[in-house]
Amino acid sequence: RKEVEQDPGPFNVPEGATVAFNCTYSNSASQSFFWYRQDCRKEPKLLMSVYSSGNEDGRFTAQLNRASQYISLLIRDSKLSDSATYLCVVEDSNYQLIWGAGTKLIIKP
Amino acid sequence: GAGVSQTPSNKVTEKGKYVELRCDPISGHTALYWYRQSLGQGPEFLIYFQGTGAADDSGLPNDRFFAVRPEGSVSTLKIQRTERGDSAVYLCASSLTGRTNEQFFGPGTRLTVL
Repeated sequence: RKEVEQDPGPFNVPEGATVAFNCTYSNSASQSFFWYRQDCRKEPKLLMSVYSSGNEDGRFTAQLNRASQYISLLIRDSKLSDSATYLCVVEDSNYQLIWGAGTKLIIKP
Repeated sequence: GAGVSQTPSNKVTEKGKYVELRCDPISGHTALYWYRQSLGQGPEFLIYFQGTGAADDSGLPNDRFFAVRPEGSVSTLKIQRTERGDSAVYLCASSLTGRTNEQFFGPGTRLTVL
């Protein structure tokens, strides 16, 4: 079993729709959680950290469920520019980042 | 300001050859990381430097891989006797002081071993 698992997609979503991604992790000792965005043939960039209380940044909302060991990302009112691969990242007890394989999102006009 | 830079952007080599990949971190960042990303996968941790020393090299797959950062700034990832399975994008990242800070990634070096 992979340490961090994501649905690879692709998710094909019409512009303006709401889309949600889930991610599960296996190590209950994981301490920090992040969503990164990676455009095609580009480097990953931090989208947002994920806090236990849940957090929101504009159209993006991240949730963490420690009991069930999953993380979610919700994108509201999706834009064409949201098309990218979204990577779920978990920091282990040694502060090492463990990455999911990513979920590809395609927003269609 | 300048971000993380990596050279070359692309490297094609033959099986068995030696390659060096260079990373220039953001000025003032003491922490530097190397990752490897294969197609359709997330980045895989290789090594972490704090200053000049390798603080965590647990991700290096075998002894053909080695990295240095002699002056605490530029780092070089060295791969000996390259194999076709080494083909991937090698990403470098840096952060201000350590692993609890946000990592900023370079554009990567795409290595192809024929």
